[in-house]
Amino acid sequence: ETGVTQTPRHLVMGMTNKKSLKCEQHLGHNAMYWYKQSAKKPLELMFVYNFKEQTENNSVPSRFSPECPNSSHLFLHLHTLQPEDSALYLCASSQTSGREETQYFGPGTRLLVL
Amino acid sequence: AQSVTQLDSQVPVFEEAPVELRCNYSSSVSVYLFWYVQYPNQGLQLLLKYLSGSTLVKGINGFEAEFNKSQTSFHLRKPSVHISDTAEYFCAVYPVSGGSNYKLTFGKGTLLTVNP
Repeated sequence: ETGVTQTPRHLVMGMTNKKSLKCEQHLGHNAMYWYKQSAKKPLELMFVYNFKEQTENNSVPSRFSPECPNSSHLFLHLHTLQPEDSALYLCASSQTSGREETQYFGPGTRLLVL
Repeated sequence: AQSVTQLDSQVPVFEEAPVELRCNYSSSVSVYLFWYVQYPNQGLQLLLKYLSGSTLVKGINGFEAEFNKSQTSFHLRKPSVHISDTAEYFCAVYPVSGGSNYKLTFGKGTLLTVNP
């Protein structure tokens, strides 16, 4: 596989469920990102990991819990979500080289919270 | 901090017509500029980027963009669009200084709809 992959592509969950989103990058990058894309709103940066260390938490509620076991994998653990959390969750990766850091995106996970 | 304004939320055009999607930005520091495209039910794909040098940048699928520093704009153009260009287009900026302020700031997007 190439690029950035995300699984599952679609997820329906109840408010009491616990689920996880997975992202994997095959680009040799050292930084990974979670974004939330809701209808009619700009992309919202949620979390940033650089060399497996979390360097950004953009005031995200604790019901979203990220995990980055290595530079190639990123997870987003979900629990007790709300209907307003329904959105497209995008993962991205980049190489932090001190210069421009083009981010490459995965296809996203479409999440519906009932 | 940076901000990006995409002046048109929707742009309908007919097939084979030219199109321009407008993007203006605000930043206290120099920035790199990007255009991404999002096809229905997919993630974002990089169309083109401006880092330095020639202000006219060519990207994939026949798109090009011109960086205008004095007008703080980075408009995206295509001389003749196809039905398959129907998608949402996002302009984004990234501070040249990087470091702790490394956020990629996106505009709200422009939905391009190409009609037969």
